[in-house]
Amino acid sequence: QVQLQESGPGLVKPSDTLSLTCTVSDYSSVYYWGWVRQFPGKGLEWIGTIFHSGISYSNPSLKSRLTISIDPPKKQFSLRLTSVTAADTAIYYCARLFGRGATIDGHDYWGQGILVTVSS
Amino acid sequence: DIQMTQSPSSVSASVGDRVTITCRASQGISSWLAWYQQKPGKAPKLLIYAASNLQSGVPSRFSGSGSGTDFTLTISSLQPEDFATYYCQQANSFPFTFGPGTKVDIK
Repeated sequence: QVQLQESGPGLVKPSDTLSLTCTVSDYSSVYYWGWVRQFPGKGLEWIGTIFHSGISYSNPSLKSRLTISIDPPKKQFSLRLTSVTAADTAIYYCARLFGRGATIDGHDYWGQGILVTVSS
Repeated sequence: DIQMTQSPSSVSASVGDRVTITCRASQGISSWLAWYQQKPGKAPKLLIYAASNLQSGVPSRFSGSGSGTDFTLTISSLQPEDFATYYCQQANSFPFTFGPGTKVDIK
């Protein structure tokens, strides 16, 4: 059973940078890795997905502020979101994505999520 | 970007009921659709991928169908543990997008 664990600060000040890391128990290059967030009491928002190669795709609404990176030897991938505001307060989930061939089917394993509050 | 809508936004049902949730994409996505179940305070759980493929370990009372723009998640006989919020997600193209969710609660 693959396990993913988010880590990072639970409180970030407005205009600062939010940095989160996801550590994977069983990393494999055949999978994809990503981030999803959930605003309090609301639905899910796809943040981005990164391939083993380091190629990443991001939500256009966040693209100018977002960096997703991966470190396979450490079995980790990370999210960096700059210039945060209260609107970025959410539960942030990391997840594994799987697929067949060149396509992606969905997010099959998820971390427990980490609540990040943006407040001074 | 592909927009996803779901209906209804909420449904009240009883144990044993058949429940159907609809998801619609703003443009054709072939069969690149996944369904997730989320319970309060928990991470989402993958139920269905590629529109109709049951994820390993998911009870057979869950089924998915559809292609193109219209998709359906059906719970054939609702069980107490099925009361949750259900989301669809298109995986046809980046940026991936989720539907707004359908909450299934107790009647």
